[in-house]
Amino acid sequence: GDSVTQMEGPVTLSEEAFLTINCTYTATGYPSLFWYVQYPGEGLQLLLKATKADDKGSNKGFEATYRKETTSFHLEKGSVQVSDSAVYFCALTDSGAGSYQLTFGKGTKLSVIP
Amino acid sequence: GAGVSQTPSNKVTEKGKYVELRCDPISGHTALYWYRQSLGQGPEFLIYFQGTGAADDSGLPNDRFFAVRPEGSVSTLKIQRTERGDSAVYLCASSLRGGSSAYTGELFFGEGSRLTVL
Repeated sequence: GDSVTQMEGPVTLSEEAFLTINCTYTATGYPSLFWYVQYPGEGLQLLLKATKADDKGSNKGFEATYRKETTSFHLEKGSVQVSDSAVYFCALTDSGAGSYQLTFGKGTKLSVIP
Repeated sequence: GAGVSQTPSNKVTEKGKYVELRCDPISGHTALYWYRQSLGQGPEFLIYFQGTGAADDSGLPNDRFFAVRPEGSVSTLKIQRTERGDSAVYLCASSLRGGSSAYTGELFFGEGSRLTVL
């Protein structure tokens, strides 16, 4: 079945540091890939997405590129801020297999210190 | 309301009791989803409604779990004879359209109902 593996946390960075959170996936069809974020005390919200190979999703300074050859969708940001402290979830939905379910990774907690 | 609303935010119950968790989706959203998030894990799919009907309930772990959405808006997740292993955060999400928007993954989540079974 489909699965998502993302790097384990927690990750602690200083403000303005470079961020990478690794995510790899396994899917039988043609997945769309997502990063969701959960800020403290809030619900999950979509951060960015990519629906086909080589697409780059971007939002709020975060980027991720859909790499079919390496089955990866790593999240990056050039300069993190304290306000980026949150839990980040990589996820996929496999429309080619006729599925509408989101399959999530375990989440990576990011803490940014001033 | 402006977002997906879930009640109660916290529920503590004893093993063997019956529990109901409520979800009020964003107005006009026809698709509604329930997920369960255990400690240290990502959300896991439970059930999906398109309108009033359960289009897919393959994620429900056993027959103690049941969900309804009688008028195509508010949904209730019902858990009978609760067990300690049911302790988790139950997340509800909605989206504007069913299959097509679900394929894009743009779901709007509530803050969840934290269930603790003693």
